[in-house]
Formats: sequence, C-alpha cells, structure tokens
Amino acid sequence: DAKTTQPNSMESNEEEPVHLPCNHSTISGTDYIHWYRQLPSQGPEYVIHGLTSNVNNRMASLAIAEDRKSSTLILHRATLRDAAVYYCILRAQGGSEKLVFGKGTKLTVNP
Amino acid sequence: DADVTQTPRNRITKTGKRIMLECSQTKGHDRMYWYRQDPGLGLRLIYYSFDVKDINKGEISDGYSVSRQAQAKFSLSLESAIPNQTALYFCATRGPGNSPLHFGNGTRLTVT
Repeated sequence: DAKTTQPNSMESNEEEPVHLPCNHSTISGTDYIHWYRQLPSQGPEYVIHGLTSNVNNRMASLAIAEDRKSSTLILHRATLRDAAVYYCILRAQGGSEKLVFGKGTKLTVNP
Repeated sequence: DADVTQTPRNRITKTGKRIMLECSQTKGHDRMYWYRQDPGLGLRLIYYSFDVKDINKGEISDGYSVSRQAQAKFSLSLESAIPNQTALYFCATRGPGNSPLHFGNGTRLTVT
C-alpha cells in the first residue's frame, strides 16, 4: 500500500474548525483514503473514507484534492472529546489486508 | 455492550509463560484481525482471518499463533512470552468490500 505523510501534532481551540492534512503522493487509482482516530486508552475508531469526491458524515468531512495526492480531514467544530491521534491510511479496493497505520497526527484541543 | 470485546484488558506475565488473549465480536463479520501497537511504531498487523478455516500471517507473526474457534472468536497466543512482546494488542473485525475496521479496546500486555 502507498505511504501517507501527516504532521506529528496539531493544536486547536474548542469550537473552532480543524483541518488535518495528509499527503499521499504515490496514491494509485484504486486506493481509498481512510481516516481513523484513537482516543486515549481506546482502540482506533473509524472516522470517514473516500475515493475521489468529498465526503461528509456526522463525525467529519473529507476533502480530497483533485489530483488525489493529498486530502484533509475537517472537524467542523472541535470539542475536547476530539483530542486524539488521527490516522490517514490508504487501501486499495480488494487490496492487501496489511494496512499501514503510521504515527498519525496528535490533535490537542484547548478549552 | 461493545461490538468487539477483548479479554483480559491488562495482563502481566513472566518470560517463558504461555499466554492467550481473547477476542469476540457481535458484528457478524467474517474478517478478524490482531494488531500490535508500540509507542512510536503505530499499529502492526500480526495475523488475520477471513473465516474459520482461513488464517493468514501479517507483518510480524513470529512468536505468535492464532486460533479462529468460531466466526465470532479469534484468539492470539504467545507460546513463550518474551519482554519485547510487551505492547498494546488490538483485535479488529471488518465486513466485506471496503468496509472499515472495528477495533476492540485493547489488551495491555507486560512481559517481565
């Protein structure tokens, strides 16, 4: 699976939007972009995924660049409960089960 | 109740001991996975299974074995635990196609 690059950490204030970037310049045409997050003392939790078009769900929005070499996870109004490590992962449809969970971005939300 | 349940949540054991970590799920998924998490290394796949008769090695299977007792149960064994197997272990399940992974809350294992 192709590699992703994320900043090690980001900081935000409560009730402000947060934009978490992810670069994946070697993405292939069949790679889906998945985002997970891991709250302290918990297992990773699925957030959102997409292929080409921007996606929205109750947790977040995913904005995918037109060339698909980067994407941004958007939390519209950060809460203290959004403080977590966020992972951006690529997986090809029908591809390898060996998903690469890197170090992710640690998001700190200030009250 | 959690969809993916891991037991125990914490375990301390001694070098050379055999230990089993258990995972059960109520999501009805065929695919089940065991991951290991170490500080600074992210999550790494140990083993995965597509059904009761299908077991596959992940990227770090040495020193581990698994058993898929039923669709809902997937256990991970350390035949002879060693200190560098001290880590956080996660079980996960996934539905068909491009379905996302659903993780348990982990087992913190310490080998002294």
